[in-house]
Amino acid sequence: KQEVTQIPAALSVPEGENLVLNCSFTDSAIYNLQWFRQDPGKGLTSLLLIQSSQREQTSGRLNASLDKSSGRSTLYIAASQPGDSATYLCAVKTGANNLFFGTGTRLTVIP
Amino acid sequence: DVKVTQSSRYLVKRTGEKVFLECVQDMDHENMFWYRQDPGLGLRLIYFSYDVKMKEKGDIPEGYSVSREKKERFSLILESASTNQTSMYLCASTQDRAGREQYFGPGTRLTVT
Repeated sequence: KQEVTQIPAALSVPEGENLVLNCSFTDSAIYNLQWFRQDPGKGLTSLLLIQSSQREQTSGRLNASLDKSSGRSTLYIAASQPGDSATYLCAVKTGANNLFFGTGTRLTVIP
Repeated sequence: DVKVTQSSRYLVKRTGEKVFLECVQDMDHENMFWYRQDPGLGLRLIYFSYDVKMKEKGDIPEGYSVSREKKERFSLILESASTNQTSMYLCASTQDRAGREQYFGPGTRLTVT
C-alpha cells in the first residue's frame, strides 16, 4: 500500500525566508501528486497538481517539483509571508479513486 | 470555479443518534468521496462513489453508510453515532479521470457526546 511521508511535521521561519517542504512516497506508480493547503478548522485548498509525466508546476510564489523515480516531491515557497501560515498536505493518486495523503507540515511564518 | 459545499460546518450529536452529513458539488463530477481527518492520522477514505447509486468502501467504512441518489449530492450516514466518530469530515469530488485533481468542501466538525 502506498505510504506518504511529510517531514518535518512542523516548521517555523521568519517572514521573507524561502523554504522547502518535503513529501516522499513509497510506490512510484502514480498518476499525479497534489499539494494542498489547510487552514485551522477548514477544508483543503488545492495549490498545485503535478501529473506523473511532469517535473514541476509553478503558481505565483509556489513551485512544486516531482521526482517520480525516487518517490519525492518538494514544495518551494519563495519570500514567505505570515499569510502562508497553514498546514500543507501532499497527496498522491494511484488510481481513479485512490488518493493517499501525508500527515502534513504545519508552517508558521513569523512576522 | 468548482464548488463543493457541505451542509454544516459544526455539528454536535449524542451517542446513538443517526447523523446525516450532506455534500453537494456543482461541476457535474462523476466521483465523490468522504474522508475523515484526525490528528496524527491524516485523511482516511471512508467511502467513495463513481456514479449515481454506486458506492465503494474506502479504508475505514465501519460504522458508516452512504447514499448517492443524484449526481451532485453524496450523503454520509452514521447509523448510530459513537464518541470515536468525533472528527472532521471532508467531502471531495473529481471528474472521472485519473489525472484530475480533487476538490474539497469546507469540512464538517462533528462532535459526538
